[in-house]
Amino acid sequence: GNSVTQMEGPVTLSEEAFLTINCTYTATGYPSLFWYVQYPGEGLQLLLKATKADDKGSNKGFEATYRKETTSFHLEKGSVQVSDSAVYFCALAGTALIFGKGTTLSVSS
Amino acid sequence: DAMVIQNPRYQVTQFGKPVTLSCSQTLNHNVMYWYQQKSSQAPKLLFHYYDKDFNNEADTPDNFQSRRPNTSFCFLDIRSPGLGDAAMYLCATSRDTGTLAGGYEQYFGPGTRLTVT
Repeated sequence: GNSVTQMEGPVTLSEEAFLTINCTYTATGYPSLFWYVQYPGEGLQLLLKATKADDKGSNKGFEATYRKETTSFHLEKGSVQVSDSAVYFCALAGTALIFGKGTTLSVSS
Repeated sequence: DAMVIQNPRYQVTQFGKPVTLSCSQTLNHNVMYWYQQKSSQAPKLLFHYYDKDFNNEADTPDNFQSRRPNTSFCFLDIRSPGLGDAAMYLCATSRDTGTLAGGYEQYFGPGTRLTVT
């Protein structure tokens, strides 16, 4: 069946460092892919999405490209801020969303 | 702004005492979902409604029930909460389900943190 695998955290970075969070998927066909972010004590917010191969989703300096050759949707940001500290979930569209296990990002000043 | 609202944000209940969590939406979406999220885990889908059609996940305990009296509201009822039901409960909505060509996304409420004493 369809599934999502994310790199395990936590990821600890200094402010202005480059961020990559790896996400790979297994799916039939080419479902839409998403990154959600969850700040402490809050619900999930959609960060970005891509609906077909080679699409690039972007928002708030974060980017991810839907790569069917490598079945990947890695999240990147060129310069992280303390306010980016949160849990990031990669997800795949199905009858309902299929989530990865989440990656905790901690950014220090 | 259109949104998903959950009440209360924090709920404390006693072991075995029924509790109801509430969700409302102003997005006029067809689908409403309930997820359970335990600490440091991904959200786990309990069930969803497509309009009035109820869809239960196979591994959702019978202790969890849901009602959707109209498009805007959906309730999660826990008939006899156990200590293991302490979690964050997330409500979400989407316009449709499935792998549509245009993709679909879910909009989440802020969650209700349930404590069982």
